[in-house]
Amino acid sequence: DGGITQSPKYLFRKEGQNVTLSCEQNLNHDAMYWYRQDPGQGLRLIYYSQIVNDFQKGDIAEGYSVSREKKESFPLTVTSAQKNPTAFYLCASSVTGLAGTYNEQFFGPGTRLTVL
Amino acid sequence: SQQGEEDPQALSIQEGENATMNCSYKTSINNLQWYRQNSGRGLVHLILIRSNEREKHSGRLRVTLDTSKKSSSLLITASRAADTASYFCATFRTGGFKTIFGAGTRLFVKA
Repeated sequence: DGGITQSPKYLFRKEGQNVTLSCEQNLNHDAMYWYRQDPGQGLRLIYYSQIVNDFQKGDIAEGYSVSREKKESFPLTVTSAQKNPTAFYLCASSVTGLAGTYNEQFFGPGTRLTVL
Repeated sequence: SQQGEEDPQALSIQEGENATMNCSYKTSINNLQWYRQNSGRGLVHLILIRSNEREKHSGRLRVTLDTSKKSSSLLITASRAADTASYFCATFRTGGFKTIFGAGTRLFVKA
């Protein structure tokens, strides 16, 4: 089955802890993305990567970090510097991140992070 | 500010009726996409319309794009209870490198 997976589905974090959210895709897509969604709101871009070993900050990168060592994996670390991390986190991928025709995004099921 | 803004924020209709959602944006775009999100789930891509297209159909979905007014509409015909979800428009700017999502329209279809 081709697709994009995220784990865990639910994650609880104590204040001051770093946590890492997993995102894996087997679609052979070059581009991957991390979004944050707060209740009743749209998606805000945290980081994106257009190719392996390269990534760019999105609109709300402060307090987050990523890596892209493999094409299929794009983990997101929520650091203790992120002051309000409770949210729903969505990972996505697309064939290309460039202004091409086929840049529709495929989303994972999401991880709900709660800070205790 | 958000590139795409949906209108209305929420919509409640009876099963069998048509649902129309609108999206406005601010800058020139390469394409515009519509996505659907069921509660607590990831987004699912519905349809992509390029800047040189004016209308596109997919099953019960009809999307229009008016680049002169910087607006798009999504029409769902003969709605079903299973269409209950949030619908987002997303724009890919000309010369840009990322897709920008609006805040969404929450559609509730009553059986």
